[in-house]
Order: sequence, then C-alpha cells, then structure tokens
Amino acid sequence: TQLLEQSPQFLSIQEGENLTVYCNSSSVFSSLQWYRQEPGEGPVLLVTVVTGGEVKKLKRLTFQFGDARKDSSLHITAAQPGDTGLYLCAGEFEDSNYQLIWGAGTKLIIKP
Amino acid sequence: DAGVTQSPTHLIKTRGQQVTLRCSPKSGHDTVSWYQQALGQGPQFIFQYYEEEERQRGNFPDRFSGHQFPNYSSELNVNALLLGDSALYLCASSLGPSGRASYNEQFFGPGTRLTVL
Repeated sequence: TQLLEQSPQFLSIQEGENLTVYCNSSSVFSSLQWYRQEPGEGPVLLVTVVTGGEVKKLKRLTFQFGDARKDSSLHITAAQPGDTGLYLCAGEFEDSNYQLIWGAGTKLIIKP
Repeated sequence: DAGVTQSPTHLIKTRGQQVTLRCSPKSGHDTVSWYQQALGQGPQFIFQYYEEEERQRGNFPDRFSGHQFPNYSSELNVNALLLGDSALYLCASSLGPSGRASYNEQFFGPGTRLTVL
C-alpha cells in the first residue's frame, strides 16, 4: 500500500517569509500533483509533475520533483496572506492502478 | 461556465440510515469521481463513473454505491451509515475515459459535509 507523507503538518509564518513543504513516498510515483484547498471548497490543482528532476514555477510557487520520483517539494517565496490554505500532494502509482493517493496535507497560515 | 456543483451542502444523519449525495459535473465533462475526506486527512478515492458505469473503485465497502445519469450527473449512496462515515464528500469531474488525473485534470466541487450521529 502506497503512503504519502507530508511535512510539516502545520505551518504558521509572517507575510514576506519563504517556506518549503514536502511530500514523500517509499514508492516511485508515476506522477504527482499539488493541490490547494480552502475551507468550504474542494481542492484546486496547482501543478502536475511527471519527470524526475522536473521543476515547475507558478508565480511565487516553485515545485520540484525528486530525481528518483519518490519525493516532491513546494517552495513559496515571499508568502502572502492569500497563500493561506491546505496544501495537498497526490500521487499516481502504477501498482495502485493509477488511482490518486493523497497525503494528509500541510495547513499553511500566513499572518499579515 | 458553471463549475462542479454538489447538494446538499450539509447533512446530518443517524447511524443505520441511508443517504444520497448529488453532483453535477462541470459543463462539457463526462467523468465523475467521488472522494471521502475525513477531518484532518486527504481525500480518499471511492469510485469513478464514465458512460454510466463504474470504471474504477477504491477500497470502500459495498455500502457505498453510485450512479451516473445520461446527463453525466451522479449520485453517491451510502447505506447503513456508521459514525466513521462522517466526512466531507467531494465530487470531481473531468473529460475523457482515461481515469488518470495526470492526463485529465479533475475539477472539484465544494463538497457535502455529512455528519453521522
């Protein structure tokens, strides 16, 4: 059974600071996605990474996929209060018939 | 362009009862997936419907069943409710039969919050 571990579980920082959150698995991902979920809403897709070593940027957000495709990170530069939310990673694994397996998320609060 | 809509928003049931949740996909989408998100956890895949058939199923008991209608809308039914069924139930729609989120982006609705007492 594939498990995704996200860390930290909770992060509260001041506006303007930088932060990194992580997503790890003991198995190799076929692909990995990052979502952001706000209270009362469903997750919204931020990015999909497929190739080991891949780096994608979305404004102040930088996503990295590990070379071995077992881990990923999300780095936010100069965090803003609008970045507040639950950040979820979700992976596809060949062994699980490509059904999305989700981490428990990192709850991020950016204080003004 | 209407996004994914779900009804009801909130629901309170007692143990042993049955519940039906409804989902209308994003305009133009033909595939609907259902997820259960317990408090403090990530979503867990329940099943996916395409062409009115269940195409994939996660590790959920038969008490969880579904249906897709010709207009692509979908229902999730849960029988013999347990306290542990309390969760946010999310519906996601996508276009195409691939079934792989990396191929076809999923758009999520706001969810139905089910509380079982």
